[in-house]
Amino acid sequence: DTEVTQTPKHLVMGMTNKKSLKCEQHMGHRAMYWYKQKAKKPPELMFVYSYEKLSINESVPSRFSPECPNSSLLNLHLHALQPEDSALYLCASSPIGGGVERSTDTQYFGPGTRLTVL
Amino acid sequence: GQNIDQPTEMTATEGAIVQINCTYQTSGFNGLFWYQQHAGEAPTFLSYNVLDGLEEKGRFSSFLSRSKGYSYLLLKELQMKDSASYLCAVRDAADSWGKLQFGAGTQVVVTP
Repeated sequence: DTEVTQTPKHLVMGMTNKKSLKCEQHMGHRAMYWYKQKAKKPPELMFVYSYEKLSINESVPSRFSPECPNSSLLNLHLHALQPEDSALYLCASSPIGGGVERSTDTQYFGPGTRLTVL
Repeated sequence: GQNIDQPTEMTATEGAIVQINCTYQTSGFNGLFWYQQHAGEAPTFLSYNVLDGLEEKGRFSSFLSRSKGYSYLLLKELQMKDSASYLCAVRDAADSWGKLQFGAGTQVVVTP
């Protein structure tokens, strides 16, 4: 089973709202990722959690706040977003996460949350 | 940093073969991945190469030449459902964490 689940599938929010995106995997993977993808563009890495610790923050604005409550769950808290933040937000997980020698570590993606900021 | 180049779009007929090329320039190399992404959906893992040569998985094959910084994804016996974007992603060994860098994707259109 290589399933990563994400909720909600679609989200529309105003610029003053606070909302959260959720991601879950039960494959025992120890690394989880948030990506942002605009139409006809490749995914852009936002955050990486490895063993429930934030390993990478790709200079993401503070209006995006990740949280990893346990090894199976990853949240992305949203506050005061801008219309240009509208995108597909993808969660992924991989067995090991990181490390130059871990070349075979494969990331598996969830179905994404389509976010629209009005 | 690294450059990953792949064609923007390719069109082929149902039942035919299509080859999607990917060239990359990295400070170091630690694996190349191919993903398929249908419109509005998540990328799905297709294949992985770290050594030179051909990896075959059913109708899909992926080839790597590290000395040339080159890979291709070969799709055989094309089906309408193969219409999708195909993403080449490279893991740079010079990045201590081993992040994936994605190419812009190649949109494959399969026609009847």
